[in-house]
Amino acid sequence: AQSVSQHNHHVILSEAASLELGCNYSYGGTVNLFWYVQYPGQHLQLLLKYFSGDPLVKGIKGFEAEFIKSKFSFNLRKPSVQWSDTAEYFCAVNAGTGRRALTFGSGTRLQVQP
Amino acid sequence: NAGVMQNPRHLVRRRGQEARLRCSPMKGHSHVYWYRQLPEEGLKFMVYLQKENIIDESGMPKERFSAEFPKEGPSILRIQQVVRGDSAAYFCASSPSLQDAFFGPGTRLTVL
Repeated sequence: AQSVSQHNHHVILSEAASLELGCNYSYGGTVNLFWYVQYPGQHLQLLLKYFSGDPLVKGIKGFEAEFIKSKFSFNLRKPSVQWSDTAEYFCAVNAGTGRRALTFGSGTRLQVQP
Repeated sequence: NAGVMQNPRHLVRRRGQEARLRCSPMKGHSHVYWYRQLPEEGLKFMVYLQKENIIDESGMPKERFSAEFPKEGPSILRIQQVVRGDSAAYFCASSPSLQDAFFGPGTRLTVL
């Protein structure tokens, strides 16, 4: 069975600080990897995804993530956060073949202070 | 192109009542997924449907919960005889294929 771990439950940063949110998954086969963001009071939005190819993936709003297969990791990064990045961030995986439902991590709540 | 629609956005039920949650997928999307988010937890998969078929219900509780996605109309998640532990946010996602999923705003169910 797949599982996803997000080790940082709550992160507080000042504006312009750099961000890295950890995500590790457990699954032996081919996976697709996702980061979703949930702004306060809003629904989940896709930030970026990795299916294959270049392991460094660029998403919307200046976010990027790097897939490191040997570490089963897909960490999210942003060089300089803004107050508007305050939200909850979810890492998710699904199997590259067969069952396509997403398995989510428990989320990381990011608070950016002005 | 409207996004995934869910209604109601908020639903309050007393213990023992039935809850019916609706999800209208994006136009052209034939795959629907339901997820449940308990307080302070991530989303947990419940069921995956295509038109008129349940493909994967491995995340669905065996009793009181059912889902359908008829040929016409929205997908329905039905919870019979609700209990306090059913209080959660229920999210629907739709997809045109087996890859991207677009999420709706969710229905927040409160059981008194």
